[in-house]
Amino acid sequence: DTAVSQTPKYLVTQMGNDKSIKCEQNLGHDTMYWYKQDSKKFLKIMFSYNNKELIINETVPNRFSPKSPDKAHLNLHINSLELGDSAVYFCASSTSSGGEQFFGPGTRLTVL
Amino acid sequence: GQNIDQPTEMTATEGAIVQINCTYQTSGFNGLFWYQQHAGEAPTFLSYNVLDGLEEKGRFSSFLSRSKGYSYLLLKELQMKDSASYLCAVRGNDYKLSFGAGTTVTVRA
Repeated sequence: DTAVSQTPKYLVTQMGNDKSIKCEQNLGHDTMYWYKQDSKKFLKIMFSYNNKELIINETVPNRFSPKSPDKAHLNLHINSLELGDSAVYFCASSTSSGGEQFFGPGTRLTVL
Repeated sequence: GQNIDQPTEMTATEGAIVQINCTYQTSGFNGLFWYQQHAGEAPTFLSYNVLDGLEEKGRFSSFLSRSKGYSYLLLKELQMKDSASYLCAVRGNDYKLSFGAGTTVTVRA
């Protein structure tokens, strides 16, 4: 009965690799988000999709590419990983009217 | 953009009350949220204010003054499990949530 799920929970990889993180929500929400939380615990929005359409695209390197195959899924692909990409990445979802956001458990990415 | 300030750390004793303040300067305002985040876990929703005044939810209350750009989260009858980071977040007119850096609350026996 998990509301927002992410895989994998942990990801350790070498610099220069390409990796993907997947997110799924079963809440029937129209809007999904990707956040990055760095080592200082600062949570920052990266992308948001509403009904598969990109609506928020913050100043994020174009090595990061979100993809929403349907409104219940939002995946994040990262090319040419760098040390500074190490962080916890949270997926979240909400209704399109902007209600509270429900967060997934996070994916801890470590780039070596 | 949004500028959101909250204290970095607070310590209180079990059973006591703690008030976490949050001030914000925004280019638009469409609500203020408080989230709780335990170490290594996801943020979870605590409260939402869009109009001035106090919202009470059990041991937790949140207050908003839009004219002052100010909110606080009040935690009453503190329990050890309340030790966590508390995040203030402001939603702008673009419906984007901007988070403060969080306040780490430590509850001591």
